[in-house]
Amino acid sequence: DVKVTQSSRYLVKRTGEKVFLECVQDMDHENMFWYRQDPGLGLRLIYFSYDVKMKEKGDIPEGYSVSREKKERFSLILESASTNQTSMYLCASRRWRNEQYFGPGTRLTVT
Amino acid sequence: TQLLEQSPQFLSIQEGENLTVYCNSSSVFSSLQWYRQEPGEGPVLLVTVVTGGEVKKLKRLTFQFGDARKDSSLHITAAQPGDTGLYLCARSNDYKLSFGAGTTVTVRA
Repeated sequence: DVKVTQSSRYLVKRTGEKVFLECVQDMDHENMFWYRQDPGLGLRLIYFSYDVKMKEKGDIPEGYSVSREKKERFSLILESASTNQTSMYLCASRRWRNEQYFGPGTRLTVT
Repeated sequence: TQLLEQSPQFLSIQEGENLTVYCNSSSVFSSLQWYRQEPGEGPVLLVTVVTGGEVKKLKRLTFQFGDARKDSSLHITAAQPGDTGLYLCARSNDYKLSFGAGTTVTVRA
């Protein structure tokens, strides 16, 4: 079974804190993705990586950065968390052009 | 701006009833995927449709891709409480998937 795991299911952080969200996949997938999900807006792509050390901006990259030093791990970084970054964050991975597999999500609250 | 419009936004029906949800765009899809997301989980792929006019069945779920490849529908026959969830359509564009806002389906026992 493909597994995508995320470091936390729930996270509460204060405004201005630096936040790290970790994602690990165990299927040797080349592509990895970070989305945020908000009611009525669906999933919006923040960043994606098509291979190790490669990264591309998605539709809403402002306020975020990413790191992919190893193939199995893709990290999302909020440099200075703000309340409008309160959301559900979903990581996904896939082999090139195939099905995307999602992690269970991290619900982040910034107070 | 949503490139994919899903309707309705919410749907609540009784167990045993049928339902249809829609996914529309003003531009042509090369392929379209349907996902279901249960509360507290990530989305799971149900089907990929590629060919205009294509119909795919997955048990009680029927997926249709419009002839012009600009729209798709998902029909559930004799819905069960286990069908409850958020149904998302997504179009593929090389590296990326672009998602609609989803239809929240609630099936009451």
